[in-house]
Amino acid sequence: DAGVTQSPTHLIKTRGQQVTLRCSPKSGHDTVSWYQQALGQGPQFIFQYYEEEERQRGNFPDRFSGHQFPNYSSELNVNALLLGDSALYLCASSLVSVQYEQYFGPGTRLTVT
Amino acid sequence: KQEVTQIPAALSVPEGENLVLNCSFTDSAIYNLQWFRQDPGKGLTSLLLIQSSQREQTSGRLNASLDKSSGRSTLYIAASQPGDSATYLCAVRMDSNYQLIWGAGTKLIIKP
Repeated sequence: DAGVTQSPTHLIKTRGQQVTLRCSPKSGHDTVSWYQQALGQGPQFIFQYYEEEERQRGNFPDRFSGHQFPNYSSELNVNALLLGDSALYLCASSLVSVQYEQYFGPGTRLTVT
Repeated sequence: KQEVTQIPAALSVPEGENLVLNCSFTDSAIYNLQWFRQDPGKGLTSLLLIQSSQREQTSGRLNASLDKSSGRSTLYIAASQPGDSATYLCAVRMDSNYQLIWGAGTKLIIKP
């Protein structure tokens, strides 16, 4: 049984560009959450998707947007990249009825130059 | 606004020692608290979850305690091993709130 997978593993982008990160949840899970983790810091909640809709959002600007597909996989899009967007982006999946059992993917390391 | 703090930021101890990692939070009205382990390139793994009504949870050599009134949790690791080397993070979930609020973590190095 595959766990949470994320792609790509690493990504380098230039300031002002746009990026799309992808996440496939653990089999059987219906909810996907995205987190941003800057170097030396704990993760910061970006948003959560359930039934293809954004269910809750953290304190992130509208440049951060997402999508959930019918197969429960999800994308995180970031527009107009800033140097400060450089971070590890983590995806976590769970069942909506068991929120505290989140399984995390290995993350995508985004570097903005 | 809930704030989660972990001290120390880094810790290096010889193999075999028992050790304690600390986590403090400013708002005691938490729903639950979790301890995670983060290994480079492998994401986060949940170690222990303590509900707000519980005082402690144990899993193998790990024991986590929770004192809501003082806003503190500790993770006790017995008989440390080099394989325990990782960053340990604590996170709290507030009532009626889905998101986790995280500490910055303690980087633990166990020397053989």
